[in-house]
Amino acid sequence: DAGVTQSPTHLIKTRGQQVTLRCSPKSGHDTVSWYQQALGQGPQFIFQYYEEEERQRGNFPDRFSGHQFPNYSSELNVNALLLGDSALYLCASSFVDQPYNEQFFGPGTRLTVL
Amino acid sequence: GNSVTQMEGPVTLSEEAFLTINCTYTATGYPSLFWYVQYPGEGLQLLLKATKADDKGSNKGFEATYRKETTSFHLEKGSVQVSDSAVYFCALSRAQGGSEKLVFGKGMKLTVNP
Repeated sequence: DAGVTQSPTHLIKTRGQQVTLRCSPKSGHDTVSWYQQALGQGPQFIFQYYEEEERQRGNFPDRFSGHQFPNYSSELNVNALLLGDSALYLCASSFVDQPYNEQFFGPGTRLTVL
Repeated sequence: GNSVTQMEGPVTLSEEAFLTINCTYTATGYPSLFWYVQYPGEGLQLLLKATKADDKGSNKGFEATYRKETTSFHLEKGSVQVSDSAVYFCALSRAQGGSEKLVFGKGMKLTVNP
């Protein structure tokens, strides 16, 4: 049973560019959440997708957008990249009807903005 | 809003030493509480969880008890090993059902020397 997978592993972009990160959830999971983890900090919630719609959103600007596909996989898009967007981006999946909120994390995508 | 405050490191211990990582939270209602671990170069893994007051979560020799009266969820291990070297995150989620966003502390880096 494959866990949560993310691609690419690493990415280097320049300021002003746009980036797309991808996530495939754990088998059987229908909900995908995205988190940003800056160096030396805890993960910060960006948003969550369920049934192809954004269900919750954290305190991130509109430059951050996402999408969920019918197969439950998800993309995170960031426009007009800033130096401060450099971070590890983590995807987590879960099942909406699970009794307790256990989320399974992927290995992350390390984004560097130059 | 909901928040988590945890002991910050880094901390270095010798093998077989006792470990305590303090974690306190602020939340309305009855959150679920989690400890996640991040090994070098990897994503987050759930270490243990507790979903109601006085619950004790345990895994791999680690334990934490949900203390509502002190709003705490301290992580303990009686005898650490070199393989326990990692970053530890305390987290909470608001709901006990469904998929709610996780709120993380800043993390504590633990290094265990032989």
